[in-house]
Amino acid sequence: AQSVTQLDSQVPVFEEAPVELRCNYSSSVSVYLFWYVQYPNQGLQLLLKYLSGSTLVESINGFEAEFNKSQTSFHLRKPSVHISDTAEYFCAVSSMDSNYQLIWGAGTKLIIKP
Amino acid sequence: DADVTQTPRNRITKTGKRIMLECSQTKGHDRMYWYRQDPGLGLQLIYYSFDVKDINKGEISDGYSVSRQAQAKFSLSLESAIPNQTALYFCATSDVGQADTQYFGPGTRLTVL
Repeated sequence: AQSVTQLDSQVPVFEEAPVELRCNYSSSVSVYLFWYVQYPNQGLQLLLKYLSGSTLVESINGFEAEFNKSQTSFHLRKPSVHISDTAEYFCAVSSMDSNYQLIWGAGTKLIIKP
Repeated sequence: DADVTQTPRNRITKTGKRIMLECSQTKGHDRMYWYRQDPGLGLQLIYYSFDVKDINKGEISDGYSVSRQAQAKFSLSLESAIPNQTALYFCATSDVGQADTQYFGPGTRLTVL
């Protein structure tokens, strides 16, 4: 069965430092990959997605993620975080294996230290 | 105006009560979903519907039922609420043409005493 693993439940980082949130998936077929963000006391918002084409995708607020097929990964990065990036980040994948339904990771809480 | 709305936003109820959570969308999507979120467990799928005549169980459907009244409306019911159903509930919609990119409502915080 398809699965998504977010290796870190929490990632503390100082403001203006770089950050990487890791996501690995298991699938033997072509996949679509997503990162969602949940700010405190809010619903989930789509941050970025990979459907096809360039393996590097970017969000409007400075995050980027790279699809690495050989390592079955879709890690999320930002070169300099801000206090407003404090949130929980969820990785998700869909494919023919899941009838194109989203399979979710458990989430990673990004904690920004001043 | 929000594309996906949920009512109520917060609800406190007692064990054994029947509760209905409602979801409406203006995105014109055929697919709708109900999830629950518990700390540290991510999102768990309760039920999903690919169109008005299609209802499917998710991974944790026991104790829940749903109704798809129209393309735009998808309700979740707890027939007899129990304390371990205390959680944050989210409705989502998607369009198969966008690789199932899902769009979420603001959530309903349900507490069962």
